[in-house]
Amino acid sequence: DAGVTQSPTHLIKTRGQQVTLRCSPKSGHDTVSWYQQALGQGPQFIFQYYEEEERQRGNFPDRFSGHQFPNYSSELNVNALLLGDSALYLCASSPFTKTVRVGEGAFFGQGTRLTVV
Amino acid sequence: AQSVTQPDIHITVSEGASLELRCNYSYGATPYLFWYVQSPGQGLQLLLKYFSGDTLVQGIKGFEAEFKRSQSSFNLRKPSVHWSDAAEYFCAVGAYQAGTALIFGKGTTLSVSS
Repeated sequence: DAGVTQSPTHLIKTRGQQVTLRCSPKSGHDTVSWYQQALGQGPQFIFQYYEEEERQRGNFPDRFSGHQFPNYSSELNVNALLLGDSALYLCASSPFTKTVRVGEGAFFGQGTRLTVV
Repeated sequence: AQSVTQPDIHITVSEGASLELRCNYSYGATPYLFWYVQSPGQGLQLLLKYFSGDTLVQGIKGFEAEFKRSQSSFNLRKPSVHWSDAAEYFCAVGAYQAGTALIFGKGTTLSVSS
């Protein structure tokens, strides 16, 4: 059973550019959340997608947007990149439905390391 | 405000010694608590979680954690640390709804000395 997979693993972009990060959730999971982890910090919640809609959003500007596809995979888009957007971007998947398996938390991918220069 | 505090930024433990990493939370609803471990350059691996029931929960790699509601704490313990346990440890809290946003602490870096 493949876990959460993210691509690419590393990325270097220039200030002002746009970037798209991708995530495939764990088999059986239909909810995808995105987190930003700056160096030396804990992950911070960006937003969550379920049934192809954004369900929750953290304190991030509109430059951060996302999408979820019918197969539950997801993309994170960041426009007008700033140096401060340099971070590890983590995708987490979990089951959301009423048939949730009690005790199952979020499973994280290995992350995409984004460097903005 | 909802938050997680990990008071210790960095801890060094001798190999074979016991370990306790502290976590305190502030959360309006019934908290569901997690500990994750992160090796350098890697994603997060779930060590253990607490939803309800027995307040002492067992996880992978010999870790356990105890939920103390009166102290708003969820401390992680291991009786004997191995060199391979050196990593970053994160405590997180969320609501019961699966898939809800997790709030993380800033993490504790564990170093293991020989």
